Amino acid sequence: GQNIDQPTEMTATEGAIVQINCTYQTSGFNGLFWYQQHAGEAPTFLSYNVLDGLEEKGRFSSFLSRSKGYSYLLLKELQMKDSASYLCAVADSNYQLIWGAGTKLIIKP
Amino acid sequence: GAVVSQHPSWVICKSGTSVKIECRSLDFQATTMFWYRQFPKQSLMLMATSNEGSKATYEQGVEKDKFLINHASLTLSTLTVTSAHPEDSSFYICSARDLETDYDEQYFGPGTRLTVT
Repeated sequence: GQNIDQPTEMTATEGAIVQINCTYQTSGFNGLFWYQQHAGEAPTFLSYNVLDGLEEKGRFSSFLSRSKGYSYLLLKELQMKDSASYLCAVADSNYQLIWGAGTKLIIKP
Repeated sequence: GAVVSQHPSWVICKSGTSVKIECRSLDFQATTMFWYRQFPKQSLMLMATSNEGSKATYEQGVEKDKFLINHASLTLSTLTVTSAHPEDSSFYICSARDLETDYDEQYFGPGTRLTVT
């Protein structure tokens, strides 16, 4: 079966760094997405990885290892507005997104 | 970036009535749109894939006669919840796939919160 695993909840301090992990097992792989979702709102796109390695975009970076079925989202210089759920999604062989349950990130002052 | 709109943003209806939700891609053509449902504190659940000019593909466990999907044009897909019941109360989100992007990115609408009383 297809499976995406990520922690349910994480807590971090404002100004710090946090890494959210995602492991996956899917039928085919056409890339991994990270989305941010604030409560009551639709997801917004953060990053896309299809090749191994690190993609950096401002305070956010995303890493992928296809051989390990593993990705992480790294958030630096955390701000209170970063409090949200972070969803990991993998595009399978049919380019259909398989969604993780999301990681709720709580930022404390 | 590409914009997807949904209408209405929220709706309250009585049990037994039907509700139609519209999803529009405003600045790109979307041959494929997706309908998701999200219950509180849960992840997105794909309900169906809507293909322009053909019948929608429903996920297992989603009643196609209850959740009617029409994708009549390259910029509009509609989801009609027929004979709504309180358990249908949820956050419904559509997304549209833009084939012009490097990785067929999906752009999400803002969502529609349905409350059935």
